[in-house]
Amino acid sequence: QVQLQESGPGLVKPSGTLSLTCAVSGGSISSSNWWSWVRQPPGKGLEWIGEIYRSGSTNYNPSLKSRLTMSVDESENQFSLNLRSVTAADTAVYYCGRRCTSTTCPTYTFDIWGHGTMVTVSS
Amino acid sequence: DIQMTQSPSSLSASVGDRVTITCRASQSISTYLNWYQQKPGRAPKLLIYAASSLQSGVPSRFSGSGSGTDFTLTISSLQPEDFAIYYCQQSYSNRYSFGQGTKLEIK
Repeated sequence: QVQLQESGPGLVKPSGTLSLTCAVSGGSISSSNWWSWVRQPPGKGLEWIGEIYRSGSTNYNPSLKSRLTMSVDESENQFSLNLRSVTAADTAVYYCGRRCTSTTCPTYTFDIWGHGTMVTVSS
Repeated sequence: DIQMTQSPSSLSASVGDRVTITCRASQSISTYLNWYQQKPGRAPKLLIYAASSLQSGVPSRFSGSGSGTDFTLTISSLQPEDFAIYYCQQSYSNRYSFGQGTKLEIK
């Protein structure tokens, strides 16, 4: 079955760029699904960051859009997140996930998640 | 943006209890409503989709109902492994949003 694994630095300096990658295994990133990022600050709830399709089409949370870039690498079966000009408020566990839009999974859900990676913004 | 509001924010209950969590959307979302369970240090897990459909592998003691703006998640008989945080999430708008969570604790 499809599995996701986040990777990237656990510590980013203020005003720097947070860069994460999500590797997809057990399935193809070129399937008819969207690939998403969700974050969770310590002790708080879930915030949807944005998503990308295999074609490179994106859909971003308006509150983060000005600082956000997502990309997809079909050859490596992975997708990535870059969040610029980070502050302490961006400290969170970052999850990658699949938003199902095909007929082979529960449509319009985040049905598969990575384990999450903690990113701390601090000097 | 569509705001999702859950109630209560926390709930104490005992094993065997029947528990209901409510989620209200700031506008009608038809049945584009999903429920997730999250345990400490773990990723969220999909429980219910399209307001009332049970995800494969999820025990039948979990059920969901509602449409429009008001939704409920019910656990018919709490088991020890059900103590967790529960989130609702709307997929009506492509600005996906989650409720603030309901923490279910052991009484």
